[in-house]
Amino acid sequence: DAGVIQSPRHEVTEMGQEVTLRCKPISGHDYLFWYRQTMMRGLELLIYFNNNVPIDDSGMPEDRFSAKMPNASFSTLKIQPSEPRDSAVYFCASSLNRGQTQYFGPGTRLLVL
Amino acid sequence: QKEVEQDPGPLSVPEGAIVSLNCTYSNSAFQYFMWYRQYSRKGPELLMYTYSSGNKEDGRFTAQVDKSSKYISLFIRDSQPSDSATYLCALDSGAGSYQLTFGKGTKLSVIP
Repeated sequence: DAGVIQSPRHEVTEMGQEVTLRCKPISGHDYLFWYRQTMMRGLELLIYFNNNVPIDDSGMPEDRFSAKMPNASFSTLKIQPSEPRDSAVYFCASSLNRGQTQYFGPGTRLLVL
Repeated sequence: QKEVEQDPGPLSVPEGAIVSLNCTYSNSAFQYFMWYRQYSRKGPELLMYTYSSGNKEDGRFTAQVDKSSKYISLFIRDSQPSDSATYLCALDSGAGSYQLTFGKGTKLSVIP
């Protein structure tokens, strides 16, 4: 298996622009997680899905952030409008079952100017 | 007080040294304890997984949990340059919402 796939790997945008991050989980995994990593705050869970349904979005920082999972093989994290403080590495992870190992993608490095 | 505290380092050791990495936590509800390794510009990968207090060994790696002190450790024996990475502890209560609480990570460099 190719593992968790994320795109783009790098994104540079200007403040106010819409940003869409994409994730393809490992085939057969029921759980999908979106994380954000910064030097100041470390790795933070933003939202997670089970069988394509959002379960807990309490980590989403504000209404500018939204996430969808239209099917079992694709998820998006959207930021609209983006702000410089959104600059971070965004990771997607998936797991087979609750309590199982989470497999992380390579991340998307986002820089908002 | 933050839920999980981890010294960010950086920690630099010579090849062959024994490395000790630690985390402390405040929430006694945590039942599952993990260590993830993250190489530069890569995603974290699970290294060790333990439940409850005690030790777990896997090759050169030993994970130790002391729930009474709310203290977890990862020991690396005979450290190698390939161990150079950031190590993150992750804790899970195992109940209700399935969320891992991560430490900020300790950056380790093993010098040949």
